[in-house]
Amino acid sequence: DVVMTQSPLSLPVTLGQPASISCRSNQNLVYVDGNTYLNWFHQRPGQSPRRLIYRVSTRDSGVPDRFSGSGSGTDFTLKISRVEAEDVGVYYCMQGGHWLGTFGQGTKVEIK
Amino acid sequence: EVQLVESGGGLIQPGGSLRLSCAASGFTFSNNWMSWVRQAPGKGLEYVANINPGGYETYYVDSVKGRFTISRDNAKNSLYLQMNSLGAEDTAVYHCARDSQQPRDGFVYRGQGTLVTVSS
Repeated sequence: DVVMTQSPLSLPVTLGQPASISCRSNQNLVYVDGNTYLNWFHQRPGQSPRRLIYRVSTRDSGVPDRFSGSGSGTDFTLKISRVEAEDVGVYYCMQGGHWLGTFGQGTKVEIK
Repeated sequence: EVQLVESGGGLIQPGGSLRLSCAASGFTFSNNWMSWVRQAPGKGLEYVANINPGGYETYYVDSVKGRFTISRDNAKNSLYLQMNSLGAEDTAVYHCARDSQQPRDGFVYRGQGTLVTVSS
């Protein structure tokens, strides 16, 4: 299995300030079709997860542009340029380069 | 509107079996990859099983291989998960999920789930 490791696991943030979450895999996530299948999900308390970003950096429809994804190979980052109150919750990275996909442990973002 | 409604969960003794069902509506079920994703209380997300639109290609997480079987009935817009030899580690909310057209991009809809509790 591909193991996804996120850090930090807990991230207290100040409203309006940037935030960054790291996600590392123990295998390269480039698939034979040339795409890198690394996705980011956000789960608010009591809600279903919502995909924010797929293939490293493509934002889903309706996702604010303060969210951005970057990285390659085995190292990836989700950045929030200016945290807003609605951004609290747990963020998961998910790899699809080696099927069946696997998720990171989750990073809990809360407001200081 | 996409709807995914799971059923079939409950309290089951270790070693027992359950069959979960998912009724799908609001999209062309037969065109989509589908998955079961579980989340233990207070824990993270885990893909359990995945099936292609035609129902002939399936994938499983290592921990359930040989015990769980995913299947679908496109005529009934339904997804199933047969779970045998259940253990405490299988306790979780099981969610039916509609995958992206490329399933490696993750799921785009998830049902509210059905709770499976394995305990004596």
